[in-house]
This record gives sequence, C-alpha cells and structure tokens, in this order.
Amino acid sequence: GENVEQHPSTLSVQEGDSAVIKCTYSDSASNYFPWYKQELGKRPQLIIDIRSNVGEKKDQRIAVTLNKTAKHFSLHITETQPEDSAVYFCAASTRGNNRLAFGKGNQVVVIP
Amino acid sequence: DTGVSQDPRHKITKRGQNVTFRCDPISEHNRLYWYRQTLGQGPEFLTYFQNEAQLEKSRLLSDRFSAERPKGSFSTLEIQRTEQGDSAMYLCASSPGQGLGTDTQYFGPGTRLTVL
Repeated sequence: GENVEQHPSTLSVQEGDSAVIKCTYSDSASNYFPWYKQELGKRPQLIIDIRSNVGEKKDQRIAVTLNKTAKHFSLHITETQPEDSAVYFCAASTRGNNRLAFGKGNQVVVIP
Repeated sequence: DTGVSQDPRHKITKRGQNVTFRCDPISEHNRLYWYRQTLGQGPEFLTYFQNEAQLEKSRLLSDRFSAERPKGSFSTLEIQRTEQGDSAMYLCASSPGQGLGTDTQYFGPGTRLTVL
C-alpha cells in the first residue's frame, strides 16, 4: 500500500519567516494530495490540496508544490503567524480506492 | 453546524466491554470514512462507505470491529470486547463522492476512546 513520509518532524520558525514541509510517497498511482492542520484536541482541518494534473497551487499564504517524477510534494507557509502553530499532516490517495494514507505529521512552532 | 459530527466525544470503558460510536456526515455527502489516530501519529484508514455499501476495509479492522451505514446517512462503529490497544481517537470523515472535489474529505471532531 501507499507509504507517506514527512520531514522534518518538528520545525521552529520565527514569526514572519517561511516554513516548508516536505512529504514523499511511494505509490506512483497516487493522484490526490491534501494537507491537513490539526491543533491540539481538534479535528484535522483541510488547508489545501493538489491533484496530479497540477504542479503548484496557492491560497493566500499557503502553497503546495508537487513533483510527480520524484514522488514528493511540499507545503509552503509564508509570513508565518503564531496561529500557524499546529501539527500538519500530508496525505495521498489514489482515485478508485479513496483511502487517505497519512504521514506522521510535522509539529510547526512559530516563535513570536 | 453543517460539518461532520460525532458522538460521544469521549468514552471511557473497561476492557471487555462493547462500545458504539456514531458519525453524522455533511448533508448529501455520499462517502463516509472511519479512521483511527493514536498519539503522535497520523490518522489510519479503517473503512469506507459509498452510500450504504461498505466498499473497503483495512486489515486494521479486526473481527471485533463492525461498521454500518444502514440508510446511507449516519454511520456507527462498534467495537466488541474492547482491549487496551483499542484506546485511540476515532475519526469520521465524509466527502461528496461526485462532482468537483469528489474525494475531498472533511473530518469530524472525533471520539476519544480510553479502555481501562
């Protein structure tokens, strides 16, 4: 089955700097890649997603890039704010099986 | 609240007891998913429904676990003869299943199960 890995496990950034989280996946048939933000004790919240027919997608301070050849995708957060502090999960799925395979998560800490 | 809802939010039970959780998906979402999340890990897929049909089950779903979605709306997840290893957050998600964003999954707040 699909195996998704995230790096680094913990990331500390100064407020206003950028944060980048990278994920790799194993199944070349995967074609949907969402990112979720989870604050302590709360539900995973979808923040952005990308499909395999697109190389990059941006939504305000958040962007995701996809490299299908290398089988990795990255989350970019610009102008970080304290409220960006959370655990971020990447995931991958293949159209037809619908299951999301998640990485182990990245703890992002934005230092004021 | 038009999001995915789950009940109860917390459940404490003794080993060997049966527990049942409920999930109400977003209205008109015909796909419903169950995941399990343990501390420091990402959610792990358990099972998924398309309307009332259970289409896929993970090998994580042992014989003690059963899920239903009888009318294609809400779903229940039952764990029989609970074990301490079942302690986790059980998350439900739903997706439209058709049209734009068909595979975009929205999560509920989860049911935290503690087995003593």
